[in-house]
Amino acid sequence: EVQLVESGGGLVQPGGSLRLSCGASGFTFRTSAMHWVRQAPGKGLEYVSAISSNGGSTYYANSVKGRFTISRDNSKNTLFLQMGSLRPEDTAVYYCARGPLVVLGGYFDHWGQGTLVTVSS
Amino acid sequence: SYVVTQPPSVSVAPGQTASITCGGNNIGSESVHWYHQKPGQAPVLVVYNDGDRPSGIPERFSGSNSGNTATLTISRVEAGDEADYYCQVWDSSSDDVVFGGGTKLTVL
Repeated sequence: EVQLVESGGGLVQPGGSLRLSCGASGFTFRTSAMHWVRQAPGKGLEYVSAISSNGGSTYYANSVKGRFTISRDNSKNTLFLQMGSLRPEDTAVYYCARGPLVVLGGYFDHWGQGTLVTVSS
Repeated sequence: SYVVTQPPSVSVAPGQTASITCGGNNIGSESVHWYHQKPGQAPVLVVYNDGDRPSGIPERFSGSNSGNTATLTISRVEAGDEADYYCQVWDSSSDDVVFGGGTKLTVL
């Protein structure tokens, strides 16, 4: 069974940093592109970032470019999102999701349960 | 960037058919994927590549895509189908992923 478990969320002050992790199991992690999608309270889904299976390609939404960094450790089946210069508008539940391809693109066939990030003073 | 538009809400009686649309410029040339999300839960893929169903998704869920509109159709709607539904497209020119704003399906 595919499982994705996010961790690392919490309350952080504006301008602060946070590192999210997503532990994966039940599939061959190193052959799947991975993605981060967020959802602000009461709002819709927003695509944040993606990384190809070998880490060679990445994508960032304009709203987070230059502030967030996506990475992965295929030896530990773990996806990361390093978030910096956080703003109140980054407040959201952050989901990691698996893509069906080794490269970016397509759809998301499995999602984690999400971790809440709150940016507030 | 590419924009897709969904109606904010759709209502349907139990046993009837619900149609949720996703509009976009020449969306018929793109692959459209659909998710449902119940309150407090993560999204779940219900249709991918316009009309394919993941394992475990009932045949009542189907999709089509042509011209400027993609449609998710839910036949014989049940109370448990009540959720927010999102369409999604991958913009290959930019690697961006675009979600519709979501449609709240209410089962009367």
